[in-house]
Amino acid sequence: DAGVIQSPRHEVTEMGQEVTLRCKPISGHDYLFWYRQTMMRGLELLIYFNNNVPIDDSGMPEDRFSAKMPNASFSTLKIQPSEPRDSAVYFCASRRAQGTYEQYFGPGTRLTVT
Amino acid sequence: AQSVTQPDIHITVSEGASLELRCNYSYGATPYLFWYVQSPGQGLQLLLKYFSGDTLVQGIKGFEAEFKRSQSSFNLRKPSVHWSDAAEYFCAVDHMEYGNKLVFGAGTILRVKS
Repeated sequence: DAGVIQSPRHEVTEMGQEVTLRCKPISGHDYLFWYRQTMMRGLELLIYFNNNVPIDDSGMPEDRFSAKMPNASFSTLKIQPSEPRDSAVYFCASRRAQGTYEQYFGPGTRLTVT
Repeated sequence: AQSVTQPDIHITVSEGASLELRCNYSYGATPYLFWYVQSPGQGLQLLLKYFSGDTLVQGIKGFEAEFKRSQSSFNLRKPSVHWSDAAEYFCAVDHMEYGNKLVFGAGTILRVKS
């Protein structure tokens, strides 16, 4: 299995620009999670989906952040407009609905907003 | 509120020495418990998990963890550390009462002295 795929791996953008991060979960996984990791705040859950439906977005920092999952094999996290404080590593993870509930993480996207 | 505590931010051990990383959680009932490892610039990799049954669980890379209900702990151990074990280690908890989410500890950075 290919594992969770994220793109791009690195993104550098200027403040005010729109940023779109992409994720392809493991085939057959029903849940998809978006996390943000920073030195100050550690790992934070932003939002998660079950069967393409957003279930809990309470971790999304503000309206500048939005996430979609148009089908079972693709999700996006969009930041518009971006700000320097959004600089972080963003991880996508997925897991099955049944079984042992472990999440499988992608390699992450390192976002730098200047 | 539910929480996961990793009391040690940094730990340094000599190569070949034994290792124990501490993890405590605050939940009413036994949750699902996980340890993940993150090497620099990488995503999180699952080391091991506990759901029920034998309280001593074996994982990859020679790691094991013991669940102690009375102490609400799930400490990670390795009898002999290798230089390649230098990484950050995260304890995580998934409890159905709080949604299908992983709650992570703050992480412990392991340094290995040669």
